Amino acid sequence: EAQVTQNPRYLITVTGKKLTVTCSQNMNHEYMSWYRQDPGLGLRQIYYSMNVEVTDKGDVPEGYKVSRKEKRNFPLILESPSPNQTSLYFCASSLSEDNEQFFGPGTRLTVL
Amino acid sequence: DQQVKQNSPSLSVQEGRISILNCDYTNSMFDYFLWYKKYPAEGPTFLISISSIKDKNEDGRFTVFLNKSAKHLSLHIVPSQPGDSAVYFCAASSKRNAGGTSYGKLTFGQGTILTVHP
Repeated sequence: EAQVTQNPRYLITVTGKKLTVTCSQNMNHEYMSWYRQDPGLGLRQIYYSMNVEVTDKGDVPEGYKVSRKEKRNFPLILESPSPNQTSLYFCASSLSEDNEQFFGPGTRLTVL
Repeated sequence: DQQVKQNSPSLSVQEGRISILNCDYTNSMFDYFLWYKKYPAEGPTFLISISSIKDKNEDGRFTVFLNKSAKHLSLHIVPSQPGDSAVYFCAASSKRNAGGTSYGKLTFGQGTILTVHP
């Protein structure tokens, strides 16, 4: 089944404790992206990657890191999480940046 | 600076009637527009898209209209069904930046909650 998977689905952590949210797709897509969804703000793009080893900032990259060492995986790293990073996070992928994106089920992160 | 705006947080419609969801944008570089639907506890799913070279695109019950001069697009759902109840996001991208290279950013609106009553 073609899908985008994210882990964990739910995470409660404390300020400053490094964490990684994994994202994997099995569709051989070149383009992958991370978003956060907050009430009243919709989905905001954090980082995107147009291919292996090619990443770029979205609208809200501060406090986040990403890497794209292989095509199927695009982890989101929070080196020192803060409460304002409490949000619902979505990973997405598509054949290219010109195509519609397939989204993962989301990761709800709470930073205390 | 919200470049894509959905000014109606919610919309309530009777089953069988038309639902019209609106979206405005400010960035004239946007040339590709998409609508996504999102159910609770799920990721958004792609619904329909339109390129700036068109003013209308239709897919079954869903039609998207684009008015470039007004920087406005709308999604029409006819007839509306209770299963259409969800959050709808419009999104916009520009395929090419000023330098002519491909540009992978996608900008979403805030979303509109559609409720279709039986």
